[in-house]
Amino acid sequence: NAGVMQNPRHLVRRRGQEARLRCSPVKGHSHVYWYRQLPEEGLKFMVYLQKENIIDESGMPKERFSAEFPKEGPSILRIQQVVRGDSAAYFCASSPPSQGGDTQYFGPGTRLTVL
Amino acid sequence: AQSVTQLDSQVPVFEEAPVELRCNYSSSVSVYLFWYVQYPNQGLQLLLKYLSGSTLVKGINGFEAEFNKSQTSFHLRKPSVHISDTAEYFCAVRIQGAQKLVFGQGTRLTINP
Repeated sequence: NAGVMQNPRHLVRRRGQEARLRCSPVKGHSHVYWYRQLPEEGLKFMVYLQKENIIDESGMPKERFSAEFPKEGPSILRIQQVVRGDSAAYFCASSPPSQGGDTQYFGPGTRLTVL
Repeated sequence: AQSVTQLDSQVPVFEEAPVELRCNYSSSVSVYLFWYVQYPNQGLQLLLKYLSGSTLVKGINGFEAEFNKSQTSFHLRKPSVHISDTAEYFCAVRIQGAQKLVFGQGTRLTINP
C-alpha cells in the first residue's frame, strides 16, 4: 500500500515565481488536508478538500495561495509570486471518508526554499 | 478557538531513562487528542490518539498518554527510551465536528547514550 506521496520533495524558487506542490493521497482516500510548517514551529492548517470541493480554507492566506483536488489526479497547492516568507515545509495528509479527520496520514512533505 | 501548548521545546534524556512530554490544550468544546512523531526530514506518523473511552491510551513504539480533562492535559510517556526515539513530537487536537488538526509547537526529544 502506497502512502501519501508528495512531489517534489524539495523545491527552490526565486521571488516572484510560482510554486506548484503536488499531493497524491492514499488510494481510496477522498479527503485531503494541507498544512504548513515554518522553521522551528508546529504545523498550521491551511485547507481541507474533498474531491472537487474546498470544504475549509480558513487557514489559507487570502492572496497568492490556492488549492484544488480534481476528480482525477493529485491535489495541487499553488503559490503565486512567492516571497521569502513562503519558505517552509508543506505537508499533505489524507483520510478515508469513513474516518473523517480521526486519522490523517501524512506525506513526507515538500520543502520550499525561496531565494 | 483551540490552542495547544507543549511546555518543553527540547527534552534531553539518557538512553533507557523514562520520559514525559507535556501537552496542555485549551478548548471550549470537546476535543479529540493526538500525538504525532516526526523523524528528521520525514512526514508525521501517528503515535496514538484519544477519541473516547479509557483515558489511558497506548500507542506504537511503547508510548502511552493519559487524557486528564480537569487539567486539560494529554502528556506522553515512555518508561524506557531508545536512541531511535530521537525525533520531534507534536501534540494536536481536533474539535468534534471539524476536520482540521491544531498542533502544538513541538518537543524535540534527544536521547543521549
